[in-house]
Amino acid sequence: NAGVTQTPKFRILKIGQSMTLQCTQDMNHNYMYWYRQDPGMGLKLIYYSVGAGITDKGEVPNGYNVSRSTTEDFPLRLELAAPSQTSVYFCASSYSGTGSGEQYFGPGTRLTVT
Amino acid sequence: QKEVEQNSGPLSVPEGAIASLNCTYSDRGSQSFFWYRQYSGKSPELIMFIYSNGDKEDGRFTAQLNKASQYVSLLIRDSQPSDSATYLCAVEISGGYNKLIFGAGTRLAVHP
Repeated sequence: NAGVTQTPKFRILKIGQSMTLQCTQDMNHNYMYWYRQDPGMGLKLIYYSVGAGITDKGEVPNGYNVSRSTTEDFPLRLELAAPSQTSVYFCASSYSGTGSGEQYFGPGTRLTVT
Repeated sequence: QKEVEQNSGPLSVPEGAIASLNCTYSDRGSQSFFWYRQYSGKSPELIMFIYSNGDKEDGRFTAQLNKASQYVSLLIRDSQPSDSATYLCAVEISGGYNKLIFGAGTRLAVHP
């Protein structure tokens, strides 16, 4: 099991460019999440999904879009990148049944917008 | 606005001592509470979760929960230099889907 994988690990974008951050999990989890973490701060939820075809906004969704066409994949799209989107982005997944509710995190994508 | 508050630290303790990390939360409906450890440049990893009032022990770690006071804590006994990391308190938002609100984290430094 690879767990949660994210690509790319690092990316530098110019203002106004767009990109997609990829996230894949092989644990057959229904729930998936995207977070951003700014320096010295906790994680902020951007978007989440409770299953293929179902997504919803988190705390900080502006400037981002998501889709969930399969259980495994949950890509995050940045349109018209801005310096305020410079951050580390983490994807996570969790089991949807009764249980601990633990979220499993990918290794992160460090994004710089200049 | 649902919030989770932690002291940012750094909390500096000598090797072998007990480290005490604290967290308060605002959502009275929250039922599940998590402590994640995050090493610099790495992703968070779960070390403890707690649902019921009282203490829960796992090895050198003890989580304590007081829902009436909206307070969660993590004790690390016999602290080791390898425990030096940022500890994130996370609270599940009432309403389901395992959605979490994270605190900003407390940086712990264990010195030999």
